[in-house]
Amino acid sequence: QPVLTQPPSASASLGASVTLTCTLSSGYSSYKVDWYQQRPGKGPRFVMRVGTGGIVGSKGDGIPDRFSVLGSGLSRNLTIKNIQEEDESDYHCGADDGSGSNFAMIFGGGTKLTVL
Amino acid sequence: QVQLQESGPGLVKPSETLSLTCTVSGGSISTYYWNWIRQPPGKGLEWIGYIYNSGSTNYSPSLKSRVTISLDTSKNQFSLKLSSVTAADTAIYYCARVVLGKGMDYWGQGTLVTVSS
Repeated sequence: QPVLTQPPSASASLGASVTLTCTLSSGYSSYKVDWYQQRPGKGPRFVMRVGTGGIVGSKGDGIPDRFSVLGSGLSRNLTIKNIQEEDESDYHCGADDGSGSNFAMIFGGGTKLTVL
Repeated sequence: QVQLQESGPGLVKPSETLSLTCTVSGGSISTYYWNWIRQPPGKGLEWIGYIYNSGSTNYSPSLKSRVTISLDTSKNQFSLKLSSVTAADTAIYYCARVVLGKGMDYWGQGTLVTVSS
């Protein structure tokens, strides 16, 4: 099964842009990854799914247009433009292990985004 | 709008069994994959397992020997039991819905379970 690697922290100034990275382990370049936002003290919420062709399906409920994804090679990145204070959150990437209906879910370690 | 709500004791003694229930509203529990995930304080997410409407389950290999997930369609609920708990099982426990091929689209707000005597 794949391993998902995320940097533990990132920061960006209010109104700026930031790209959060999620890297699949070698051999899993065809896998799709899900992004989740977790605001302080809250449960995660689905942001969107990304494959090598970009977004797969629809964004989660209430996710603004400022959020976008890009997939290339082993990278499945989330970009946030015009960062707002409300974007300060932990961001997790996750994927299933490719076993179809008998799946297991894997998560990266999460990235804490600080808005300066 | 689908909503999930976890409930259960917030404190469990070591070696006992942790029991939680997730109540689903705004949609039927008779389809989709219903999951449990946990997050130790200050750490990342760990998938525990799921149950499907047929009653089929799949569990994390690291927890498989201690986990049971069950479904009660009459109450629109599914439950988690984790036996022989230790302090390492202290975490916020979340329930979530998986649409196959589309990720975990709805989550509960989570419930903190502390394992301590």
